[in-house]
Amino acid sequence: EAQVTQNPRYLITVTGKKLTVTCSQNMNHEYMSWYRQDPGLGLRQIYYSMNVEVTDKGDVPEGYKVSRKEKRNFPLILESPSPNQTSLYFCASSLHQGLGYTFGSGTRLTVV
Amino acid sequence: AQSVTQLGSHVSVSEGALVLLRCNYSSSVPPYLFWYVQYPNQGLQLLLKYTSAATLVKGINGFEAEFKKSETSFHLTKPSAHMSDAAEYFCAVSDRDAGNMLTFGGGTRLMVKP
Repeated sequence: EAQVTQNPRYLITVTGKKLTVTCSQNMNHEYMSWYRQDPGLGLRQIYYSMNVEVTDKGDVPEGYKVSRKEKRNFPLILESPSPNQTSLYFCASSLHQGLGYTFGSGTRLTVV
Repeated sequence: AQSVTQLGSHVSVSEGALVLLRCNYSSSVPPYLFWYVQYPNQGLQLLLKYTSAATLVKGINGFEAEFKKSETSFHLTKPSAHMSDAAEYFCAVSDRDAGNMLTFGGGTRLMVKP
């Protein structure tokens, strides 16, 4: 089944403890992206990648890192999480800009 | 920078009534346009997309949207609402020369009354 897989689905962590949220797609898509969803703010793009080793900042990149060493994987790294990064995170992938994204099921992160 | 406005954060309709969810974008050059639906505790699912072909786009679950360049709008409609349509709907745009930046509107929560 064609899908975007994120792990974990739920995560509670403490301030400053580094964490990684994994994202993998099995559709051979070139484009991948991370979003965060917050009440009243909709979805905001954190980082995106147009191909292996090609990444760029979205609207809210501060406090996040990404890497794209392989086409299928696009992990999101929080080096020193803070409470304002408590949010619902989505990974998504796309074959082409005009085709729209396929989204993962989301990761609900709580930083205390 | 591109912006997307969805008028009405909450819309309530009766079952069987017309659904109209509004979306306006800011770009002067027609972008790629999308509507997504999010059911509770789930990710986003693509409903339909406009890329530059027909201005009236049909999607899944009986939804359709019309691209109007003069109004910079891409409103989503469905002739007859069903209880299962209750969800949050997001309009999104991507400029054709902006890599893969996708900008979302704030979302509209659709409630369907029996």
